[in-house]
Amino acid sequence: GEDVEQSLFLSVREGDSSVINCTYTDSSSTYLYWYKQEPGAGLQLLTYIFSNMDMKQDQRLTVLLNKKDKHLSLRIADTQTGDSAIYFCAESIRGNTDKLIFGTGTRLQVFP
Amino acid sequence: DAGITQSPRHKVTETGTPVTLRCHQTENHRYMYWYRQDPGHGLRLIHYSYGVKDTDKGEVSDGYSVSRSKTEDFLLTLESATSSQTSVYFCAISETQILNEKLFFGSGTQLSVL
Repeated sequence: GEDVEQSLFLSVREGDSSVINCTYTDSSSTYLYWYKQEPGAGLQLLTYIFSNMDMKQDQRLTVLLNKKDKHLSLRIADTQTGDSAIYFCAESIRGNTDKLIFGTGTRLQVFP
Repeated sequence: DAGITQSPRHKVTETGTPVTLRCHQTENHRYMYWYRQDPGHGLRLIHYSYGVKDTDKGEVSDGYSVSRSKTEDFLLTLESATSSQTSVYFCAISETQILNEKLFFGSGTQLSVL
């Protein structure tokens, strides 16, 4: 079945780069998304990549997609304390049944 | 930006009572969704709607019903709340006219069933 996996925690120093990883199992994905959730708030769409792309850059954010390994990553350059949040990857699947599968989230903690 | 308002923001209720959560959007988005968020599970889809009076079940629909009598409002009802339905509930819309594409989420409703 479909599954999206992420590591639970990541801790980085302010100013360093953060890399959050995600693996998925279904190869019929169309879009892959990264969402950010701050405490007490809903999920906010950060960025996304179409499945026929390898990389997308958006200011401090770089998304890398390795379709062969079914691996998605989000790199945050110059990480700031305001980046502390939970990050969710999600895979949109088209097929007999269309689905959006979320990972369990990675909590990013940025320390000074 | 899509405007989504969820109400109430917090609710405490007793087992066996009915509960209705409301989601209101200010744009004319076709697709609306109800998710629940629980530790260790990420977000799981309860029900979604693709138009007025058009709804379908998600992954965890048992014990929940929905209604959409107007484009802007999507209601989630727990007919008889159970403790396993204690969760944070999020409403979302698709910012495009395509199912599951580019979801925008509300701020959530924290529901506690005692």
